[in-house]
Amino acid sequence: AQTVTQSQPEMSVQEAETVTLSCTYDTSESDYYLFWYKQPPSRQMILVIRQEAYKQQNATENRFSVNFQKAAKSFSLKISDSQLGDAAMYFCALISNFGNEKLTFGTGTRLTIIP
Amino acid sequence: DVKVTQSSRYLVKRTGEKVFLECVQDMDHENMFWYRQDPGLGLRLIYFSYDVKMKEKGDIPEGYSVSREKKERFSLILESASTNQTSMYLCASRFRNTEAFFGQGTRLTVV
Repeated sequence: AQTVTQSQPEMSVQEAETVTLSCTYDTSESDYYLFWYKQPPSRQMILVIRQEAYKQQNATENRFSVNFQKAAKSFSLKISDSQLGDAAMYFCALISNFGNEKLTFGTGTRLTIIP
Repeated sequence: DVKVTQSSRYLVKRTGEKVFLECVQDMDHENMFWYRQDPGLGLRLIYFSYDVKMKEKGDIPEGYSVSREKKERFSLILESASTNQTSMYLCASRFRNTEAFFGQGTRLTVV
């Protein structure tokens, strides 16, 4: 069984500062995808960033980047230059690239931006 | 743009009623998922489907069933709604090697 763990239920950061959200996971597969999703108050889940396990290079999308440590099964999200619009629930998710895939989510981290 | 549409944004049902939550996607995705979201518990997978008429149980299937008669539509059924099924329900779809796309969610209240 695969699991995803987010150990920080809530985080806060000053506007324009940098914050890192943690995620660890467990899977027996060697080929899989990891995702960070954002859920603002509108409830719409929005993809922030994705990482393919076979790629060693950490993914980046503008102010968002990940630190992917495959051996440690760690996948943290760094948000640089935090903006008020970044306030949301953030979910880490994992899916195997084999077979009939089950997409598993963590419990989420609520991020507050302090003006 | 991929569109995943859930039939209702808010729904109020009575205990014991049969409830249908519908989800439609317009991108010919093979995989579709139903989750429930509760505070502190994240998104928990109820059922998923990888093809027409195919379904797999997720982590919390008890009290739910699903139907996928057409590729674009994945329905979640509460055979006899109970108050502990009051929750936010999210549908998602995905093509292999891509991210999942989500509907806007249905907040179901069972009274």
